[in-house]
Amino acid sequence: DAGVIQSPRHEVTEMGQEVTLRCKPISGHNSLFWYRQTMMRGLELLIYFNNNVPIDDSGMPEDRFSAKMPNASFSTLKIQPSEPRDSAVYFCASSLGGTRYQPQHFGDGTRLSIL
Amino acid sequence: DQQVKQNSPSLSVQEGRISILNCDYTNSMFDYFLWYKKYPAEGPTFLISISSIKDKNEDGRFTVFLNKSAKHLSLHIVPSQPGDSAVYFCAASAWLNNNDMRFGAGTRLTVKP
Repeated sequence: DAGVIQSPRHEVTEMGQEVTLRCKPISGHNSLFWYRQTMMRGLELLIYFNNNVPIDDSGMPEDRFSAKMPNASFSTLKIQPSEPRDSAVYFCASSLGGTRYQPQHFGDGTRLSIL
Repeated sequence: DQQVKQNSPSLSVQEGRISILNCDYTNSMFDYFLWYKKYPAEGPTFLISISSIKDKNEDGRFTVFLNKSAKHLSLHIVPSQPGDSAVYFCAASAWLNNNDMRFGAGTRLTVKP
């Protein structure tokens, strides 16, 4: 079975550029999560969707970050403009059922470096 | 604010021995806890969970213990194997915030042959 697929795996770009991270959840899963992992703050939840609808975006650091889920099989996390402090590993995860009792399945992450 | 804390960044044990990974939390509303394992260059994978109505949950070599009064949980791996070498994350959620899961910073476990 295909797991959560994230692209790209690595992204290196210059400060000020727009960055788009992509995620394809596991087919049939109706909850999708975006996380950011840094050395300082560990793994933080940025935003999550239930049935393609954003439920809680209180973890999104600032207006430069936006996330969309146009359909059940695709989501994007966009940073515009990017800054060096956005450098981190970004994970997407999906789960079935929309409750916390269903474990989240993570993609392998996108390692983002902003120069 | 770190509501879930893993105070040991690393742990090293000998193959065949017990590994004990600890996790503390501060939010008394947390009532569901999970452990995830993460290998380098991969995403975390779910390992085991426990609800606050229990104080122990076992799955093969992995057992999670929950001490609600101390706001503490631990993951025991017996016997430890070299393939268990990974970073282990503790996570917690509260029924009020359904899918909002808070993670600890992780503990890197190394199991030596």
